[in-house]
Amino acid sequence: AQSVTQLDSHVSVSEGTPVLLRCNYSSSYSPSLFWYVQHPNKGLQLLLKYTSAATLVKGINGFEAEFKKSETSFHLTKPSAHMSDAAEYFCVVSDRQGGSEKLVFGKGTKLTVNP
Amino acid sequence: DGGITQSPKYLFRKEGQNVTLSCEQNLNHDAMYWYRQDPGQGLRLIYYSQIVNDFQKGDIAEGYSVSREKKESFPLTVTSAQKNPTAFYLCASSSQPTSGPYNEQFFGPGTRLTVL
Repeated sequence: AQSVTQLDSHVSVSEGTPVLLRCNYSSSYSPSLFWYVQHPNKGLQLLLKYTSAATLVKGINGFEAEFKKSETSFHLTKPSAHMSDAAEYFCVVSDRQGGSEKLVFGKGTKLTVNP
Repeated sequence: DGGITQSPKYLFRKEGQNVTLSCEQNLNHDAMYWYRQDPGQGLRLIYYSQIVNDFQKGDIAEGYSVSREKKESFPLTVTSAQKNPTAFYLCASSSQPTSGPYNEQFFGPGTRLTVL
């Protein structure tokens, strides 16, 4: 089965500084990988996804992630944090079992942006 | 507007009562999912359905039941057998590709269930 590990449960940055949210995955085949964002008491919104095309994936709101197979990583970055980026972020890998495909979620990283 | 709706937003239940959470989508998606979210644990899959009149257990199905009588609707019942039902419940849907990479899931706004 596939799994995903988010290396930091909390990350705190200052407004205008870079953001790095780390994610490592394990997969026995070429996976689909996703980053979702969740604001308090809201549903999840897709930021970006990797599906074996370009290894550098650009998403919404200036976020991007790079798929590194050799490091089994899919870290999320943004050059300059904005106050509205404060939220919880989930790294997600697809898992193929018994002919159906499901998503496996990391435990989340809470991003705080300080003024 | 296309999307997923969940109702109610907040729900309170007394111990020993069953309660049903609603999930409706107008995205014409075949697959629908129910997740439970607890602080610090990410999302855990309760049940999923890939087609009308068919559904499968996820990782934490005990104490829950679902039905899929219509493509647009996938209600979740939290039964009295669920020992710790207080949580945030999220419904999602996706289109199922016949080949190629997996498609993303679209999420509803969630229902917060509190057992008193």
